[in-house]
Amino acid sequence: AQKVTQAQTEISVVEKEDVTLDCVYETRDTTYYLFWYKQPPSGELVFLIRRNSFDEQNEISGRYSWNFQKSTSSFNFTITASQVVDSAVYFCALSDPSGGYQKVTFGTGTKLQVIP
Amino acid sequence: GAGVSQTPSNKVTEKGKYVELRCDPISGHTALYWYRQSLGQGPEFLIYFQGTGAADDSGLPNDRFFAVRPEGSVSTLKIQRTERGDSAVYLCASSSQGQGNGYTFGSGTRLTVV
Repeated sequence: AQKVTQAQTEISVVEKEDVTLDCVYETRDTTYYLFWYKQPPSGELVFLIRRNSFDEQNEISGRYSWNFQKSTSSFNFTITASQVVDSAVYFCALSDPSGGYQKVTFGTGTKLQVIP
Repeated sequence: GAGVSQTPSNKVTEKGKYVELRCDPISGHTALYWYRQSLGQGPEFLIYFQGTGAADDSGLPNDRFFAVRPEGSVSTLKIQRTERGDSAVYLCASSSQGQGNGYTFGSGTRLTVV
């Protein structure tokens, strides 16, 4: 069965600090996809990244970086030099063959507040 | 359109009434998804369409929920005999490909059953 755990419910940081959002997942399959989405106060979920289970390379996109470690079933997300506009709820998610890859299981989200 | 459009943005209905929620996906996107998000939770899968057919409706909670996509574009989520527990934000997403690509979500319909 699929499961995504985001243990951090809320995080507050001061602007320009770095922050890491944790994500731990469970799946019985060797092939799966991991995602991160951002949900700002407006409510619309914004896709940030998709990672294939066979690609363990870390990825950097501007101030965002992702650390994928299969050994610990984790897919953590780091924001460097946080900004007020980063304030949002961030969801980690997983899809695998048990859901035909079309059914995405989301974690409960981490609410990030960046204080100016 | 430029994005996924959902109407209405807010819907308040009385317990026991019937409601329809509409989703207009990005033009050309063949895959369409409905999710439900309760307060403080992540979105939960309801149903997935590929074209006109429901390829996976395993997330629909019971037979009061039904969704259609008759022409392979606009989709309507229908809820009969609404209950207070149906109150949530109903999210629609579309994708140009399958295989778990990132979705484009709409802003959702906030349904409140009183």
